[in-house]
Amino acid sequence: DAGVIQSPRHEVTEMGQEVTLRCKPISGHDYLFWYRQTMMRGLELLIYFNNNVPIDDSGMPEDRFSAKMPNASFSTLKIQPSEPRDSAVYFCASRGTGEGYEQYFGPGTRLTVT
Amino acid sequence: GDSVTQMEGPVTLSEEAFLTINCTYTATGYPSLFWYVQYPGEGLQLLLKATKADDKGSNKGFEATYRKETTSFHLEKGSVQVSDSAVYFCALGNYGQNFVFGPGTRLSVLP
Repeated sequence: DAGVIQSPRHEVTEMGQEVTLRCKPISGHDYLFWYRQTMMRGLELLIYFNNNVPIDDSGMPEDRFSAKMPNASFSTLKIQPSEPRDSAVYFCASRGTGEGYEQYFGPGTRLTVT
Repeated sequence: GDSVTQMEGPVTLSEEAFLTINCTYTATGYPSLFWYVQYPGEGLQLLLKATKADDKGSNKGFEATYRKETTSFHLEKGSVQVSDSAVYFCALGNYGQNFVFGPGTRLSVLP
């Protein structure tokens, strides 16, 4: 299996621009998670989906952030408009029901907002 | 809710030294416990896991034993290498709860 795939790996954008991060979970996994990692706040859960349905979005910082999962093999995290404080590494992870609780992480997208 | 506490870093060791990174947890029911490792510029990788009390997880020379009586899951390695330099996260998964990560412990191994 190719593992969790994220794109782009690096994104540099200017404040006010829209940013879209993409994730392809491991085939057959029915849970998908979006995390944000910063030096100051560590690893934060933003939102997770089960069977393409958002279950808990309490970690989404504000309305500028939105996430979708139109099908079992694709999810997006969008920031509009972006701000410098959104600079972080964003990780996607997936998990399969019946396989235990462990999550499998993608390589992350490093976002820099100038 | 469930929580995980792990020792603050950074931890700096010489090559071939013994490593212990402490992790304790608070949880209801029967959680599963995990150690993840994050190498520079990469995502988190599952290092080892234990799903019930007294289980020992092991991988790449690392070990951790699920101790319910002390609510602990300490990570150990008998002889660290420079290539083990990374950030290590203790984590907990439990029924009906969000997955919980500790804050991470940065390990630096010097040649």
